[in-house]
Amino acid sequence: EAGVVQSPRYKIIEKKQPVAFWCNPISGHNTLYWYLQNLGQGPELLIRYENEEAVDDSQLPKDRFSAERLKGVDSTLKIQPAELGDSAVYLCASSRSFGSGQGYNEQFFGPGTRLTVL
Amino acid sequence: AQSVTQLGSHVSVSEGALVLLRCNYSSSVPPYLFWYVQYPNQGLQLLLKYTSAATLVKGINGFEAEFKKSETSFHLTKPSAHMSDAAEYFCAVSPVEGGYNKLIFGAGTRLAVHP
Repeated sequence: EAGVVQSPRYKIIEKKQPVAFWCNPISGHNTLYWYLQNLGQGPELLIRYENEEAVDDSQLPKDRFSAERLKGVDSTLKIQPAELGDSAVYLCASSRSFGSGQGYNEQFFGPGTRLTVL
Repeated sequence: AQSVTQLGSHVSVSEGALVLLRCNYSSSVPPYLFWYVQYPNQGLQLLLKYTSAATLVKGINGFEAEFKKSETSFHLTKPSAHMSDAAEYFCAVSPVEGGYNKLIFGAGTRLAVHP
């Protein structure tokens, strides 16, 4: 079974430029997560999708960040414009969930996209 | 709000020595608890999880952790370190609030294993 796929693996851009990250979850996983991992810190949730619906985007900086998950499969996370402080690793994870309150569903993580903003 | 504290951002052990990585959580209601490992340039891999069953949890690669409610702790141990254990380790909680759908991570502990 293929794991969570992310691309690109590395991205270097200049500040104020736009950037997009792509994630393909494990087949059959209806829940998709985007995390931000700053250097020396643990991942922090940015947004969680249940199928096509963003059910938790409270930590997503909506002035410059946006995400979409068309058709409930692949997802794209975009930053426009990028700032120096956005340099970090962006992780995507997926799980097979059966609705809120139904217990924990193991999240499987992709390798991440390392973004460097110059 | 839930939080996770990992004591020691860096831990160094000799090969064959005991590994002990500390994790404490803050919650009046025991959450689900997890340990993840991250190798360089890779995603996170689940080592083990506590979901209110046995308090001593065994995971992959010889690791285990014990849930202690009285101490609000979930420390990770391995009797004998191997060079391949060198990595970053993250403790995480999934609180009851939110239906266990959210993971809150600690800052991580980098484990170094020397010959």
